[in-house]
Amino acid sequence: EVQLVESGGGLVQPGGSLRLSCAASGFTFSVYTMAWVRQAPGKGLEWLSYIDNSGTNIYYADSVKGRFTISRDNAKNSLFLQMNSLRDEDTAVYYCARERGHYYLQDWGQGTLVTVSS
Amino acid sequence: EIVLTQSPATLSLSPGERATLSCRASHFIGSDLAWYQQNPGQAPRLLIYDASNRATGIPARFSGSGSGTDFTLTISSLEPEDFAIYYCQQRTLRTFGQGTKLEIK
Repeated sequence: EVQLVESGGGLVQPGGSLRLSCAASGFTFSVYTMAWVRQAPGKGLEWLSYIDNSGTNIYYADSVKGRFTISRDNAKNSLFLQMNSLRDEDTAVYYCARERGHYYLQDWGQGTLVTVSS
Repeated sequence: EIVLTQSPATLSLSPGERATLSCRASHFIGSDLAWYQQNPGQAPRLLIYDASNRATGIPARFSGSGSGTDFTLTISSLEPEDFAIYYCQQRTLRTFGQGTKLEIK
């Protein structure tokens, strides 16, 4: 069974940093592109970033480019999202997901809540 | 930038009725479109990929159609668990539509 478990969310002040982790199991992690998606309270889904299986190809949405960094450790079956210079509008549930077919997200974690507030 | 516009924003129907949800792309995207279902407090679930292929375990009452710029998700006969929010997503920049809320009438 595929499992994706996010961790690392919490309350952080504006301008602060946070690192999210996603532990993957039930599939060969090193083969798949992985992604981060977020959802602000009461809002829709916003795709943030993807990283290919080797970590060679990385892409970011404009809203987080230059502030967030995606990375992965295939030896530890883990995906990460380093978030710097956090803003109030970054408050959201953050999901990691396994990408298939070069765009669609077949499996999702349960999400971790990030709250940016003073 | 490709924008996905979903309509209607809210759809009110009764169990057993047929639901038709629309997703329109601002530019041609071929068949690179996926649909997701999200229930309150839960992660999204993949329903349809490549416009018309049902994901593993998705009931046959869900079907997708369309290509180019106009896409449709159809639920042939609504079950109580189908009342949720539905999102479409396209390949270029992976953007999502704003969602359609399917509510019980």
